Amino acid sequence: DAGVIQSPRHEVTEMGQEVTLRCKPISGHDYLFWYRQTMMRGLELLIYFNNNVPIDDSGMPEDRFSAKMPNASFSTLKIQPSEPRDSAVYFCASRDREGTEAFFGQGTRLTVV
Amino acid sequence: SQQGEEDPQALSIQEGENATMNCSYKTSINNLQWYRQNSGRGLVHLILIRSNEREKHSGRLRVTLDTSKKSSSLLITASRAADTASYFCATASLIQGAQKLVFGQGTRLTINP
Repeated sequence: DAGVIQSPRHEVTEMGQEVTLRCKPISGHDYLFWYRQTMMRGLELLIYFNNNVPIDDSGMPEDRFSAKMPNASFSTLKIQPSEPRDSAVYFCASRDREGTEAFFGQGTRLTVV
Repeated sequence: SQQGEEDPQALSIQEGENATMNCSYKTSINNLQWYRQNSGRGLVHLILIRSNEREKHSGRLRVTLDTSKKSSSLLITASRAADTASYFCATASLIQGAQKLVFGQGTRLTINP
């Protein structure tokens, strides 16, 4: 397996634009997590899914953020409209079941100017 | 808010010395995991310790868990320059029937040759 695949690796966008980050988890994994990493706030859990169902989205900072998992092999994190304070590295991770390790993608570095 | 808090935030030691990092958390957990992150990369799983375990070893890594104090430590023995990275603890807790994985702020470890 190629591991967790995120795209794009880098995204630069203007304030107010819509941004969509994509993630392909490892095949067969039941859990998918979205995290945001910044120097100030560290690694924050935004939302996670179990069997494509969102379980906890309490970490999503604002209504501008939304996440979907239409099937077991694909998830998106959308920011609309984007703001400069959304600039961060966004990680997706997947795990096959409870009590096991999570596998991380390489992240998407988002810069909103 | 994040579950785990690592201590210290930064640690700089000489190659060959041992490095100890600590993690404290607030709620009940199913397991605690340690991850490593090289600059600009995704996190990589190092070791997992379950709530009913007190100590675990993996190569040069030793992890302890004290559930009464809600704390864990990661010891890296005989450090090498290649161990330079950020280290994160993550707590796994059962929420709404699914296991949430929350990370601390991390410890930045520098090994000086």
